[in-house]
Amino acid sequence: AQSVSQHNHHVILSEAASLELGCNYSYGGTVNLFWYVQYPGQHLQLLLKYFSGDPLVKGIKGFEAEFIKSKFSFNLRKPSVQWSDTAEYFCAAPQNRDDKIIFGKGTRLHILP
Amino acid sequence: KAGVTQTPRYLIKTRGQQVTLSCSPISGHRSVSWYQQTPGQGLQFLFEYFSETQRNKGNFPGRFSGRQFSNSRSEMNVSTLELGDSALYLCASSLGHRSTNEKLFFGSGTQLSVL
Repeated sequence: AQSVSQHNHHVILSEAASLELGCNYSYGGTVNLFWYVQYPGQHLQLLLKYFSGDPLVKGIKGFEAEFIKSKFSFNLRKPSVQWSDTAEYFCAAPQNRDDKIIFGKGTRLHILP
Repeated sequence: KAGVTQTPRYLIKTRGQQVTLSCSPISGHRSVSWYQQTPGQGLQFLFEYFSETQRNKGNFPGRFSGRQFSNSRSEMNVSTLELGDSALYLCASSLGHRSTNEKLFFGSGTQLSVL
């Protein structure tokens, strides 16, 4: 069955550092991919999504992610993080083509001011 | 437009009891999904409903059940509570029946503590 793996469970960075959070999925067909973010005390919300087309997708707050089909990866990046990026980040994908959305275990990102 | 509303916000129950959680989706949304969130395990899919029909079910025991009403509001029920059921239960709604390519809108969740 499809799985979504996030490599880093906790990441600590200083402000202005560059960020890359890893995500791998296992479904081999056409796939929709998502990154969701949960800021402290807030709802989970969509950060960005990939459906088709340009494999480099841009989301809110300067985040971007690159879909690399050959590596089954959809890593999240930001060139320069801010203290306000402190949050938990979840990668998500459908289990199969038209199936439920499953989530990775999340990465807690802590930005030091 | 009001967001996804989950009630109650907090619940404390004891082992063996049963509990019902409620979710009101965004107006016009017809798909509702439920997830269990625990530290270290992330979000585990429970079930998804569209137009009062269960479309998908996760790998949870039969003690976990749900339903959706004609107004798209959804409830989930957990019977014979166990300590391990302590978690944040999240509800998410989306517009149509193809939730796999749609943005999910999440509620604040119901924090269930089983003592």
